[in-house]
Order: sequence, then structure tokens, then C-alpha cells
Amino acid sequence: EVQLVESGGGLVQPGESLRVSCAASRFTFSDYWMHWVRQAPGKGLVWVSRINSDGSNINYADSVKGRFTISRDNAKNTLYLQMNSLRAEDTAVYYCTRGTLNGFDIWGQGTMVTVSS
Amino acid sequence: DIVMTQSPLSLSVTPGEPASISCRSSQSLLHSNGNNYLDWYLQKPGQSPQQLIYLGSNRASGVPDRFSGSGSGTDFTLKISRVEAEDVGVYYCMEALQSPFTFGPGTKVDIK
Repeated sequence: EVQLVESGGGLVQPGESLRVSCAASRFTFSDYWMHWVRQAPGKGLVWVSRINSDGSNINYADSVKGRFTISRDNAKNTLYLQMNSLRAEDTAVYYCTRGTLNGFDIWGQGTMVTVSS
Repeated sequence: DIVMTQSPLSLSVTPGEPASISCRSSQSLLHSNGNNYLDWYLQKPGQSPQQLIYLGSNRASGVPDRFSGSGSGTDFTLKISRVEAEDVGVYYCMEALQSPFTFGPGTKVDIK
């Protein structure tokens, strides 16, 4: 079964850093754009970032630009989101999702990031 | 950035009855290639989002045919011909035309 599994979430203090990961399986990871989408508790979905198949094309939401870095390791079939200078408003479930011409067709189960003192 | 709006924001439906959700974008989502870059997603309670409709009107794999998407440009509609209990959750539209991709606020559907 095609699968995305996020990991690395946790509780951090404001200003600290955290890296979340997304492990892909049962598909050719290196063929696809990959995205991060987050959801604050009780709130809606917010797109965060995307990266193309070879990592040469990257975009961010304004709210995370300059603080977050998306990357991928195609040899390890893994997507990353390095989050620096974390703020309380970054508290959310972070989902990775596979991007295709036909939308976001596969989603992970999400990893919770809590930023609190 | 493109702003997405949805209406209604909540909907209570009797099983077997139809339901309709409207989504509007602040800019046209119609590309020069003829595709409308508007997707629909459903997030069931306690679950990750799942894909329903892509490019405005195409059902994703495994999506029941009671779900249909229509519209073009800035006005789109998701219709459920006969709501079932398993359809409860929050429905989101999302523009996929340009980064940053933006989601609508969501429409919460529950069963009467």
C-alpha cells in the first residue's frame, strides 16, 4: 500500500527548533512533488511548503518563509521540514502529502508539533 | 494570494437527501490549458484529509459516484446526491493554480 508516515513531532519552547520527517513507501518517491500542510487545533488546513522531485524548486507560505526549510532525500525516500524560531502559532498537526497533477492524492497520518513554554 | 471562501460553513443533512457546498475564489482558477485548478478534500472526524475531487470535476480513485464537482473560473460546487452517514466531516476546497496554495475555511457536514 502506498504510504506516508510522519514522525518527529513533539513539545518545544518558543524560539527552539524541530525537524519533522515523512517516510514514503510503495511508490517512486523521486518522481513526485511533495508538500507539507498543517492544521492548528480545531482549525482548518493551511498549506506550508512544497518541493519538486529533485529539490530544485521550493516554495513556502509567507508565515513560515525564512524560518522553515523543506528538503528531501530521494535515496532514503524521506521528506523533511526543518522548523526554526518556532512560535506558539506554529502549533499544529503537520501532514505531508504527495502532489500530483491531479491533486494531493496521498496523505500521511500527521505529526503533532506543540510550541509552548 | 488567492482567497477561497465556502458556504455554508456548516450543514446538517438527513440521510438520503442531497447536499451542496459552494466554493468561490478571488481569482479565476481556469488555466490556459482548459483545466480548473480546484480540488475538494474531506477530513472525516479524527482522520487525515482525503482527496475527493481534482481539477474541478474529476472524482479521485475510489470516491463514490454520489460525489460530483462542477464549476469554472471562480465559482465551484460540490454536490452529494444522497448523503450517507459516512460522509460526515469537514469539506475543504483548495486552489491548486499557484503557490501559495490556499484552502477554503471548510464546511462541516453532519447528519440530522
